[in-house]
Amino acid sequence: AQSVSQHNHHVILSEAASLELGCNYSYGGTVNLFWYVQYPGQHLQLLLKYFSGDPLVKGIKGFEAEFIKSKFSFNLRKPSVQWSDTAEYFCAVSRYNTDKLIFGTGTRLQVFP
Amino acid sequence: NAGVTQTPKFRVLKTGQSMTLLCAQDMNHEYMYWYRQDPGMGLRLIHYSVGEGTTAKGEVPDGYNVSRLKKQNFLLGLESAAPSQTSVYFCASTKWGESYEQYFGPGTRLTVT
Repeated sequence: AQSVSQHNHHVILSEAASLELGCNYSYGGTVNLFWYVQYPGQHLQLLLKYFSGDPLVKGIKGFEAEFIKSKFSFNLRKPSVQWSDTAEYFCAVSRYNTDKLIFGTGTRLQVFP
Repeated sequence: NAGVTQTPKFRVLKTGQSMTLLCAQDMNHEYMYWYRQDPGMGLRLIHYSVGEGTTAKGEVPDGYNVSRLKKQNFLLGLESAAPSQTSVYFCASTKWGESYEQYFGPGTRLTVT
């Protein structure tokens, strides 16, 4: 079965530190890739997505992610985090042209001033 | 546009009671989904619908039923609630054939005692 792994369950950083959250998936075919963010007490919002083309995609709030097909990875990065980035981050994958997302278990990010 | 809305926001049930969660979307999306979110487990798909009058099982369908009588509404029912169904429930919708980006509602926090 297709699965999505987020190995960092809880990350604690100071403001201005760089961030990289890992995401690996197990499906070998064409995939669509997503990162969603859930701020405390809020619903999930799309941060960025990859469908095709340039494997480095940029999202909102300075986030970016790189699709490395050979590694089945879609890691999320931000060069300098802010306190307001404190949230839970979910990677999600869908097989090309299908109707379901498979979510990872999430990474809780805490940023301290 | 209100996007995706969910009713109610919070609910406490006793074991064995029944209830229905309502999801509504005003974006004319064909696809609608019900997820549950539990700590350390990410989001798991309960049931979904690809159009009015159709439903399908997701990853964790047991103990839940759904109905999609109108395109804009997707109902999730618990016939006999169990403590294991204590969770946060999210509804989402997407438009087929476009980005497959799912738009999420604010969630319903359900506690079964």
